Amino acid sequence: AQSVSQHNHHVILSEAASLELGCNYSYGGTVNLFWYVQYPGQHLQLLLKYFSGDPLVKGIKGFEAEFIKSKFSFNLRKPSVQWSDTAEYFCAVRSGSARQLTFGSGTQLTVLP
Amino acid sequence: EADIYQTPRYLVIGTGKKITLECSQTMGHDKMYWYQQDPGMELHLIHYSYGVNSTEKGDLSSESTVSRIRTEHFPLTLESARPSHTSQYLCASGEGISLSGANVLTFGAGSRLTVL
Repeated sequence: AQSVSQHNHHVILSEAASLELGCNYSYGGTVNLFWYVQYPGQHLQLLLKYFSGDPLVKGIKGFEAEFIKSKFSFNLRKPSVQWSDTAEYFCAVRSGSARQLTFGSGTQLTVLP
Repeated sequence: EADIYQTPRYLVIGTGKKITLECSQTMGHDKMYWYQQDPGMELHLIHYSYGVNSTEKGDLSSESTVSRIRTEHFPLTLESARPSHTSQYLCASGEGISLSGANVLTFGAGSRLTVL
């Protein structure tokens, strides 16, 4: 069965700091990878996704993620965070013939003004 | 505007009560899902449906039941609520696995259930 690990449960940064949130998955075959974000009081929404092709994908609000197949990783990055990036971030994977997404446990990001 | 709606947003009830969490989407998606979300934990899939009259149980065992009589409507029911059912329940819909193999979901705002 596929699994997703997000090792950082809570990250606290100051504005303008760089961000990298880790995401590792367990499946060795073809994968679709996603980052979802949940801002306070709002719906969970798609931040970015990887299907195939360029392993560096860009999403909304200046976020990007890099798929490194050899490391089974899909880390989320942003060079300079803003207070408005405070939210919970979930990594998700659909692997091989699986019909469903598997989500990680989430990382709560707090950006201090 | 196409969207997915969940009601109620918050519900506090006593043990033994029957509750139904409503979920409706206006996007015409065939696939709908219910996830259970607890603080600091993964989103766990508890039910899904690939179309009218099709329902399946997800990875996480749940005492709840679902129905899919209409494409746009996917309610979740607990016949007799218990404190262990206290959680946030998220409904989602999607076009399922497209030709590209993708599975992009649109989520509702969630229903936070507290059983006393």
